[in-house]
Amino acid sequence: EAGVAQSPRYKIIEKRQSVAFWCNPISGHATLYWYQQILGQGPKLLIQFQNNGVVDDSQLPKDRFSAERLKGVDSTLKIQPAKLEDSAVYLCASSSSSGGNEQFFGPGTRLTVL
Amino acid sequence: AQSVAQPEDQVNVAEGNPLTVKCTYSVSGNPYLFWYVQYPNRGLQFLLKYITGDNLVKGSYGFEAEFNKSQTSFHLKKPSALVSDSALYFCAVRDSGLPHWGAGTKLIIKP
Repeated sequence: EAGVAQSPRYKIIEKRQSVAFWCNPISGHATLYWYQQILGQGPKLLIQFQNNGVVDDSQLPKDRFSAERLKGVDSTLKIQPAKLEDSAVYLCASSSSSGGNEQFFGPGTRLTVL
Repeated sequence: AQSVAQPEDQVNVAEGNPLTVKCTYSVSGNPYLFWYVQYPNRGLQFLLKYITGDNLVKGSYGFEAEFNKSQTSFHLKKPSALVSDSALYFCAVRDSGLPHWGAGTKLIIKP
C-alpha cells in the first residue's frame, strides 16, 4: 500500500511570510496527526484529526498556525506569519484509529525560516 | 506531568553486545506503548507495541521490549547489536487517545 505522502520536502522562507504543507494519509486511515520536530527533540503533536473533526489542537499556536482536513482525507497545515523559531521538520502521520494502532509517518517537510 | 521519560540521551554499545534503551511512563488506566526508530535523513518507523497480553513483545529488526507494570517501564532490548542499529529511538504512549512522545535516545553501536 502507498505510504503517507507529504509535500513539499523542503521549504525556505523569510520570517513573516506564509507557508503551507500538504499531507495525504494512507488510504482508509481515519486518524491524521501533524507534528513539529525540532532537531534533537521528540515530535511535538500540533493537531490530531479523527476523520474531518479535530480531536486535539491544544499545542497548536493558533495565532499563526492553522490546519484543516475538510473531506476527512488529505490535510493542509499553514503558518502565517512564520517566525524564526518555526524552523523545524513538520511530520504528518496517520493511523487506522487512535487506540492501539501504530502511526505511519510521511517523510516530513523541512522548513527553514530566515 | 511528563507522560513518557527516556532517561538517557545517548547509549553506546559495542557491536555484538546486548542493548537496552530505557523508557518509563506515567498514564492513567491501561497504557498503549510504542517504540519507533528514526534513521538519519529518514522518517519515523514503527518498531513494536504493547497493547495487552504477554509482557514481552517482539518487533522489527530483532528488537523486543518488556512491559513492566509495577515499574511503569517499557524498555527496548536486542540480544546482539548491529552497527546498522545506530539511530534515534523514541518511546511513545497513548493517554486518553492522544500520543505522547519521549525526547528520544541516540543509540550508537561501535564496531
